[in-house]
Amino acid sequence: GQQLNQSPQSMFIQEGEDVSMNCTSSSIFNTWLWYKQDPGEGPVLLIALYKAGELTSNGRLTAQFGITRKDSFLNISASIPSDVGIYFCAGERISGTYKYIFGTGTRLKVLA
Amino acid sequence: DGGITQSPKYLFRKEGQNVTLSCEQNLNHDAMYWYRQDPGQGLRLIYYSQIVNDFQKGDIAEGYSVSREKKESFPLTVTSAQKNPTAFYLCASSRRDRVSEAFFGQGTRLTVV
Repeated sequence: GQQLNQSPQSMFIQEGEDVSMNCTSSSIFNTWLWYKQDPGEGPVLLIALYKAGELTSNGRLTAQFGITRKDSFLNISASIPSDVGIYFCAGERISGTYKYIFGTGTRLKVLA
Repeated sequence: DGGITQSPKYLFRKEGQNVTLSCEQNLNHDAMYWYRQDPGQGLRLIYYSQIVNDFQKGDIAEGYSVSREKKESFPLTVTSAQKNPTAFYLCASSRRDRVSEAFFGQGTRLTVV
């Protein structure tokens, strides 16, 4: 099935640095979600975006729904060691279809 | 505490055997989902259910079966017809009017030998 393109695939950063990652598609999406997954655990929802151009924050995390509706961005400010994990984006092309397409993930490693 | 529980955490089966993965939620959610996750890949939808006694195929339903006899439970059976069953399986649930706000279980790692 179709998957969203996430970049970067992985990144090492120093504690305290800001992090940016994005998710792109050739198709338009009505909803964008960002999840974090720790090893061996289920994903946890971080931010949900419902409107093109929407900018939403959750603590040190900020995500944006791209104006073209084909992309979304997640920023983490002042990273800390517990930010380590895999970040997934997910998009819903048609609202209410229960079918989300997930990105391939960005693996984040924070160096103390 | 409310939540969604998957069991067991790890499961080993011999090739050719059917195996059933358990998923229970006490969040009073109508909708439940099963996803499969392979290394380096995103989640792929196997089956979903919007209401008791009803379920729909996702993107990769072949070789899998489900039932939804109770609101709280949505078990997934991995049949011998599934050609590559070794994977991490995730169950999720949500309100029908808040599909985007799904809660995930901790997953079951199935290894077929």
